[in-house]
Amino acid sequence: EDQVTQSPEALRLQEGESSSLNCSYTVSGLRGLFWYRQDPGKGPEFLFTLYSAGEEKEKERLKATLTKKESFLHITAPKPEDSATYLCAVQGTSGGSNYKLTFGKGTLLTVNP
Amino acid sequence: SAVISQKPSRDICQRGTSLTIQCQVDSQVTMMFWYRQQPGQSLTLIATANQGSEATYESGFVIDKFPISRPNLTFSTLTVSNMSPEDSSIYLCSATQHEQYFGPGTRLTVT
Repeated sequence: EDQVTQSPEALRLQEGESSSLNCSYTVSGLRGLFWYRQDPGKGPEFLFTLYSAGEEKEKERLKATLTKKESFLHITAPKPEDSATYLCAVQGTSGGSNYKLTFGKGTLLTVNP
Repeated sequence: SAVISQKPSRDICQRGTSLTIQCQVDSQVTMMFWYRQQPGQSLTLIATANQGSEATYESGFVIDKFPISRPNLTFSTLTVSNMSPEDSSIYLCSATQHEQYFGPGTRLTVT
């Protein structure tokens, strides 16, 4: 069974204070690892997909990296508008659905001005 | 990217009743899914809505409790049947178009 663990559960930063969120996973075979952003009262917003160890993707102040056991979401010089819950999910090769995403519980990021 | 809408956005229902949630995608998609997001818990897949055939349910979810329809490539419904307070949750529709995109969710409270 695929499993995803995110840490920390909550992170409070000052504006401009860079940090990283962690996503540890176990999966029989990785099809992809996904990062989403979720604002209160809204559905998850797609950010990145990573497919293989060593891959990196960037979008504005966010950079996602992937190893064989974990992924990091690096946030550089965050702004208050980056405050949200960040969700990590994996898509594995086991199980009946080829498209099933297994999610972690998320990291609640708060960026203070 | 696919744009997904859901109706209703929220509802308060009485125990023992049923609620049908609608999901509309702005383009034809092959795969549609229904997830549940309970407070403090991970997003959990309920079922895959297959066009032209029965939905595929994940372990712990059954068709009698969560019947799903998928009449075409842009629309699906999820019914939460015979509701109890434990069904209070956010229900999310998603669709795959290269990546998996989500709707805004339906917040259900059962009293």
